Amino acid sequence: DTAVSQTPKYLVTQMGNDKSIKCEQNLGHDTMYWYKQDSKKFLKIMFSYNNKELIINETVPNRFSPKSPDKAHLNLHINSLELGDSAVYFCASSRWDSYNEQFFGPGTRLTVL
Amino acid sequence: DAKTTQPNSMESNEEEPVHLPCNHSTISGTDYIHWYRQLPSQGPEYVIHGLTSNVNNRMASLAIAEDRKSSTLILHRATLRDAAVYYCILTQSGNMLTFGGGTRLMVKP
Repeated sequence: DTAVSQTPKYLVTQMGNDKSIKCEQNLGHDTMYWYKQDSKKFLKIMFSYNNKELIINETVPNRFSPKSPDKAHLNLHINSLELGDSAVYFCASSRWDSYNEQFFGPGTRLTVL
Repeated sequence: DAKTTQPNSMESNEEEPVHLPCNHSTISGTDYIHWYRQLPSQGPEYVIHGLTSNVNNRMASLAIAEDRKSSTLILHRATLRDAAVYYCILTQSGNMLTFGGGTRLMVKP
């Protein structure tokens, strides 16, 4: 069974479009995250979210928004896509203990044309 | 979060031990040391973490200097499947991981 899954695996779209990436975890975790890995392979945290608190990395444009329908899902919505949004996006989850390991999904490669 | 410094790349021979260093001279007393790795075309994977004492698990060992200003991830017998980018991360909360450039480990057969 896949612990953290993401769909789609690949997403190709035009500039200006709005798109969503879905993430689901079956680990019973209460905290989920989104990370972005750019073409230079640097991984950056975008959001940390549990049912109590959303923490946003201040460098993330407000065109990006996380939506959590329930504890097992954290979807990423992106409005008005730009060329610079092209990257691999990883979802992760963990327990809301400070030092627990995070489990990452396989990633979604977004290409904006 | 405090900054870490790692070599850009390292090479190892298969079935030999590998010592991956990490310097964190500005570490604070409450910073935990986490190691993750990222295999090609996969998401990052937790390896190990520690605070002051050396730690062992099924994947690796973590040796932490007495002054905590450096640490070493030890893979006891490298395999080809261990070829990955290894990240050393300091955090006061495991919930917000800040990844640096990491060390690309290449394992030769």
